[in-house]
Amino acid sequence: EPEVTQTPSHQVTQMGQEVILRCVPISNHLYFYWYRQILGQKVEFLVSFYNNEISEKSEIFDDQFSVERPDGSNFTLKIRSTKLEDSAMYFCASSARESGLVPTPQHFGDGTRLSIL
Amino acid sequence: SQKIEQNSEALNIQEGKTATLTCNYTNYSPAYLQWYRQDPGRGPVFLLLIRENEKEKRKERLKVTFDTTLKQSLFHITASQPADSATYLCALNLGAGNMLTFGGGTRLMVKP
Repeated sequence: EPEVTQTPSHQVTQMGQEVILRCVPISNHLYFYWYRQILGQKVEFLVSFYNNEISEKSEIFDDQFSVERPDGSNFTLKIRSTKLEDSAMYFCASSARESGLVPTPQHFGDGTRLSIL
Repeated sequence: SQKIEQNSEALNIQEGKTATLTCNYTNYSPAYLQWYRQDPGRGPVFLLLIRENEKEKRKERLKVTFDTTLKQSLFHITASQPADSATYLCALNLGAGNMLTFGGGTRLMVKP
């Protein structure tokens, strides 16, 4: 079964440094997402991306964050100047075209654990 | 304020019994509600989606109900097995967009 893959599985970065998290969504999917989960807390939505632009974003997704689909397969999340509170598990997800207005299930990768020192 | 609450952080049941997990929400009007399973160190895995105008949805040993008057969804696993042990997350779609708003999850432990 096709799956979403994320790299690296664990990233350790000094505070203030830039970090790029990478994702390869399922190949025929059109909607892409980033979520994060701070240890012991809820999964939180960051951003959704469709047709090469952001379609929704949360309050967490401030100017320090950006997303890009640099080619036909990768989807990246960049954090420009990392803070201690950015330490979390970051999940990428993708979903197929909606059937009418019904959302289709989101397929998640196994995440990148980001540790900010 | 808007809240999604899932019953008890942990639920322990005996193998073969039915597990019932609860998701309550306040100050939301979700168009759809979804249930996901999350194993330690892994991403959420989609299980079931139910629309606001559906009362019940089934898939094999899983059943979901959705009561928009009570603002509650119940998630049942019948004939539970130790392999069903995981954290179960409910998530709301609040409108036309695909953004998911998750509850905190219930950790289910099925004992042999």
